[in-house]
This record gives sequence, C-alpha cells and structure tokens, in this order.
Amino acid sequence: GQQLNQSPQSMFIQEGEDVSMNCTSSSIFNTWLWYKQDPGEGPVLLIALYKAGELTSNGRLTAQFGITRKDSFLNISASIPSDVGIYFCAGRGGNKLVFGAGTILRVKS
Amino acid sequence: SAVISQKPSRDICQRGTSLTIQCQVDSQVTMMFWYRQQPGQSLTLIATANQGSEATYESGFVIDKFPISRPNLTFSTLTVSNMSPEDSSIYLCSVGGPLGRGQATDTQYFGPGTRLTVL
Repeated sequence: GQQLNQSPQSMFIQEGEDVSMNCTSSSIFNTWLWYKQDPGEGPVLLIALYKAGELTSNGRLTAQFGITRKDSFLNISASIPSDVGIYFCAGRGGNKLVFGAGTILRVKS
Repeated sequence: SAVISQKPSRDICQRGTSLTIQCQVDSQVTMMFWYRQQPGQSLTLIATANQGSEATYESGFVIDKFPISRPNLTFSTLTVSNMSPEDSSIYLCSVGGPLGRGQATDTQYFGPGTRLTVL
C-alpha cells in the first residue's frame, strides 16, 4: 500500500529558529495536507496543497507540493513556544488520506 | 470549515463491553471517516462511513468489531465491540470538505477525538 516517509521524527529547537520537515512517497498524490495535533486534541489542518509545484503560506508556515507529486515540505519560521506539537503530513491519492508518522516539535524558550 | 463534535470525549471501559462513539457535524458532508490513533502513533483509517449503506472497511478492520452507522449526512456512530486493552486508543471522526463534495481535491477535517481506555 501507499506509505509516507516523514522526517525528522522529532526536533528540539531554540525559540526563534526556523523549522523544516518533509514527507516523501514512492506513490503520486493529488493533494498534500499538513496537520498539527496538540495533546488531547484532534489534528488541525494547517495547509492544503492541490497542485504540483504549489507553494502556499499561512502566517509563519510555508508548504510546497513537490513537482514530482511524491513529496512535500513544511517550513515554520521564527518558532515560538506554542508551535510545540506533532505535525503530520497526509497525501490523498483517491478518497482516502495516507498519513506520515509525524514530527514531534519541541521548542526551547 | 465544518465544526465536528464527538461524544464522549473520553471513557474508561471494562474489557468485554462495547462503547458507541457519536460524531455530529454542523453541516451536511458527503464523506465521513473513522480513524484510530494508538498511543504515540499516527492515524489509521478504520472505515469510510457511507450514508444509507454499509461502511467500507480498511484491511484489518471488520464490521463485527467496529460497526458503523450513518443515518444522514451530518451524523455517524462508531461502536467498539467486545473491547480489550489493545483497543485503548484515540478514535477520531473526520469529514471531507470544504463542501463535502467527495472530490479527490477536497480537504479533510477532524473532530476532537474520543480517548478510550480499556481495563
């Protein structure tokens, strides 16, 4: 089945630093979605990407849909303590989403 | 985006019992899904809840263990039957959006989850 490789598995960074995480797959996806999950909550959609090559921003977050349609990255600029959480990428190849394993972000204030 | 609520938000249950989780959406949506998230893990799709017909289950999940109802376009239930400690997870309802058209380019939104602990 389809699988996503998300990296890094976890990050521990200084407040104010920029963060980058990415997902790759051997399969082509039509949509890439990035979610953030806080403890005890459901995943919240951060950015949705629909076209190969698309670059989209949402505040301090920027994400891109890879040209090959097999990868995507998420950048967070000037991280702050509330950025702590788990970030998931998800690719859609039909009606179903396939999720990455998640990137745990810890910010040191 | 759609507002999704789940009940209960959490529960502690005894093995061998069953729990029904409810998912309510504030607008009609075409696609509704149920996911499981085991402790420290990513999300795994259990099934797609189809309005007016039987749910479509993913490999490894069966109707006898996870019966699903979807009587209309705003409501669905997931039952976890004959529970064991291995069923301890967060169960998440999700809907396709923004207008629930069921198209491949639709985004997908999640409810707050139901945290289940089985003793």
